[in-house]
Amino acid sequence: DAGVTQSPTHLIKTRGQHVTLRCSPISGHKSVSWYQQVLGQGPQFIFQYYEKEERGRGNFPDRFSARQFPNYSSELNVNALLLGDSALYLCASSFGDGYGYTFGSGTRLTVV
Amino acid sequence: GENVEQHPSTLSVQEGDSAVIKCTYSDSASNYFPWYKQELGKRPQLIIDIRSNVGEKKDQRIAVTLNKTAKHFSLHITETQPEDSAVYFCAANPNRDDKIIFGKGTRLHILP
Repeated sequence: DAGVTQSPTHLIKTRGQHVTLRCSPISGHKSVSWYQQVLGQGPQFIFQYYEKEERGRGNFPDRFSARQFPNYSSELNVNALLLGDSALYLCASSFGDGYGYTFGSGTRLTVV
Repeated sequence: GENVEQHPSTLSVQEGDSAVIKCTYSDSASNYFPWYKQELGKRPQLIIDIRSNVGEKKDQRIAVTLNKTAKHFSLHITETQPEDSAVYFCAANPNRDDKIIFGKGTRLHILP
């Protein structure tokens, strides 16, 4: 059974560009969350979706947006990239209702 | 606001000794407290979790305790081994949401 899959694994973008990161949850998981992890820090909550509806949004600017599709996969979009957006972006899925999250391997984004 | 404090930030213990990591949370409505282990360059992995209706949970060498009154919970690792070296994150779900908020992490070094 496949785990949480994220694509791409690595990405280099220039300041001001746009990026789309993708996540496929574990089969049967309806909840998908996105986190940003800067080196040496804990994952910071960005968004949570359940059954295609946004359930939570962290303290991130409007340049960050996300959506969840009918098959429960998800996309995270970041516009007008800044150097400070360089980080590991983690996607996690769960059954919902306080069940444990399973994380994907992440997408390492470098903004130059 | 939603906050999870974790300490110490770094912990070194002799192989075979015990390690304890402590966390506090701010939202008394939180009812789910997972712990994650992250090895260098890898994804966070759930190692144990506890819900607010129990005070302690154990899984082999790992145990977690929860004090709801004081709003703190702890991870205990006994008979530590070299492979326990990693960064450990505690987390909690504010407002009984499905989303979880992470602490800043504890880097655990197991000394030979």
